[in-house]
Amino acid sequence: ETGVTQSPTHLIKTRGQQVTLRCSSQSGHNTVSWYQQALGQGPQFIFQYYREEENGRGNFPPRFSGLQFPNYSSELNVNALELDDSALYLCASSLAVGDGRSNQPQHFGDGTRLSIL
Amino acid sequence: AQSVTQPDIHITVSEGASLELRCNYSYGATPYLFWYVQSPGQGLQLLLKYFSGDTLVQGIKGFEAEFKRSQSSFNLRKPSVHWSDAAEYFCAVGPYSGGGADGLTFGKGTHLIIQP
Repeated sequence: ETGVTQSPTHLIKTRGQQVTLRCSSQSGHNTVSWYQQALGQGPQFIFQYYREEENGRGNFPPRFSGLQFPNYSSELNVNALELDDSALYLCASSLAVGDGRSNQPQHFGDGTRLSIL
Repeated sequence: AQSVTQPDIHITVSEGASLELRCNYSYGATPYLFWYVQSPGQGLQLLLKYFSGDTLVQGIKGFEAEFKRSQSSFNLRKPSVHWSDAAEYFCAVGPYSGGGADGLTFGKGTHLIIQP
């Protein structure tokens, strides 16, 4: 079984730029959630994608957006990067039914470390 | 709003000694409760989860956790730690096992240091 893979592993950007992070979900999973983990903090929920639509969002501004593709992989896009966006971005996948609820635990990737200069 | 508190930022334990990591949560309904471990440069690995049933839950790597509804706590324990247990430990709460549309809410983590 293939686990959750994220790319790239590290990325350096400057303020005001845009970035795209990618995630391939674990085999058999159909939902993808994205989390932001600032240094010394726990992960914070950004949003979840299910059936190629965003079906839940945490307290993040609209410049954080995403996509989910028919193969269940996903992208996280961040526009107008700010210094506070420097963090580890984690992707997690799970198997959901119905309205996106899942009785299966999430499996996390190793993350993308984003540094903003 | 839901929240998770891990009161101990750092804990140092001697190898072979027992371990208890504390977690308190606030949640409006019956939540799923989780413990995840994160090694440096790695993602999160699920140690165990609880929703209902026996309040003592067994997980991987010899870890267990006890749910106490009256104290809103879900403390993680291990009878004898190994040097390889040194890592960051996160307690989390959520409405569904897979997080769902609201995602999981994590604590700030406890950094476990193992002394030889």
